[in-house]
Amino acid sequence: GAVVSQHPSRVICKSGTSVKIECRSLDFQATTMFWYRQFPKKSLMLMATSNEGSKATYEQGVEKDKFLINHASLTLSTLTVTSAHPEDSSFYICSQTRGNTEAFFGQGTRLTVV
Amino acid sequence: SQQGEEDPQALSIQEGENATMNCSYKTSINNLQWYRQNSGRGLVHLILIRSNEREKHSGRLRVTLDTSKKSSSLLITASRAADTASYFCATASNNNDMRFGAGTRLTVKP
Repeated sequence: GAVVSQHPSRVICKSGTSVKIECRSLDFQATTMFWYRQFPKKSLMLMATSNEGSKATYEQGVEKDKFLINHASLTLSTLTVTSAHPEDSSFYICSQTRGNTEAFFGQGTRLTVV
Repeated sequence: SQQGEEDPQALSIQEGENATMNCSYKTSINNLQWYRQNSGRGLVHLILIRSNEREKHSGRLRVTLDTSKKSSSLLITASRAADTASYFCATASNNNDMRFGAGTRLTVKP
């Protein structure tokens, strides 16, 4: 069964609104989780590393005020896309890794901003 | 940012043929993983190979890793139409973040 649960799987929002995506670790206390973004027919791009109890680490070119990450507990990280615009439409996916083992990915969230 | 390149970007073969995809990366790694993704769907983990391993098998999959060349290959033998998907390699470094290659879009024709 899934060990990382991501919600919602799909969301359509109006331009200018904010959208929150949740990523839950179901069976593991994750001090670190990762957020990725994927454009159609493209690869996954790491956006940020979510650290429990501290600030997220953002990759170069990713606006931290645009993509707010909160990792308030060991089982939940959230990504909020603030003041969404059509160009933010994308597939967002979270993951966690456990030492030198495979990564576990959420199911992904397809965001469409209209 | 992405870790490296995958080669080829697109591959089209007939059912029953073998498919080979290559991946190169730039930094030192703990392990390298291969994933498949059907169109618009999530990722499916295929196989993980650690930095001290050179080859690994799983069913019809064979993965090699050459850390001196910073490259890996994924071989799918006796391909099936259901293998049609995008395949990505991803590398994990010491801080556990994963960097993905550009991916190979595989089409297996029945």
